[in-house]
Amino acid sequence: ETGVTQTPRHLVMGMTNKKSLKCEQHLGHNAMYWYKQSAKKPLELMFVYSLEERVENNSVPSRFSPECPNSSHLFLHLHTLQPEDSALYLCASSQEQLAVLNTGELFFGEGSRLTVL
Amino acid sequence: QQPVQSPQAVILREGEDAVINCSSSKALYSVHWYRQKHGEAPVFLMILLKGGEQKGHEKISASFNEKKQQSSLYLTASQLSYSGTYFCGTVALLTGTASKLTFGTGTRLQVTL
Repeated sequence: ETGVTQTPRHLVMGMTNKKSLKCEQHLGHNAMYWYKQSAKKPLELMFVYSLEERVENNSVPSRFSPECPNSSHLFLHLHTLQPEDSALYLCASSQEQLAVLNTGELFFGEGSRLTVL
Repeated sequence: QQPVQSPQAVILREGEDAVINCSSSKALYSVHWYRQKHGEAPVFLMILLKGGEQKGHEKISASFNEKKQQSSLYLTASQLSYSGTYFCGTVALLTGTASKLTFGTGTRLQVTL
C-alpha cells in the first residue's frame, strides 16, 4: 500500500456534473496539497492545508473546492468544470507544511486523471 | 514564475551520462529534484539548500550555484530505470510570506539499450 492513495484514478465528467476527488495519506503527515499537472505544463500548486487549515489558495477558480476534514484526508470537489480543466490531479503530503523548506520531501499519490467533456 | 529546465527531452543509451539544468529568475533558498515515471507518482530525489554541498543519490548527483540561481542534475552511467520525467522545484528566499515549491516544466529522459 502506497503512503498516499487517490481515488478515483480516472474520472470522466460533463461540464454540468458534480464530482469529488479523494486523497488519503497513511504517513501521519500534517500537511496536504493538491497539484494540477497538464500536458506540457509544470506541476501547478492549487491548495495547501496544514493541520486541516487551508494556508494557500493559489488563485484557483471557485469551481474547485477543497475540503480537509482531518489530517489524513483531503478532497477536491468539482462542479461546472471546463474542458481545459482536464488534467492529472495529484495529491501530496509532507510532515509539516514549512518542512518542505528543509527536507524537501513531498510524498505524491499516483493522481486522478480527469477528463471534462 | 516557474524555473526553466533544459533540455526539454533527452535520449541516452544505457551507460551514457546526462546533465539536466534548472534556472530561476529569483534568489533561491533551495532546489528540489523529483522524478516521475510514466503513469506513476513523482518521487523525491534530493534537495539542495542555500549554502549546502553537492548532493548525491546512487549515480545521480546535483549541484546548486546560488549566485547564478541555477542547479544541475547529473546522471552518471545511466540505467534503463532512470527513464522518466525529471522536475526541479525551487523555493524562493522568504519575503515575509509563506513560500512555496514551484516546479519547472520537466525534462523527459529516455534511456535505451
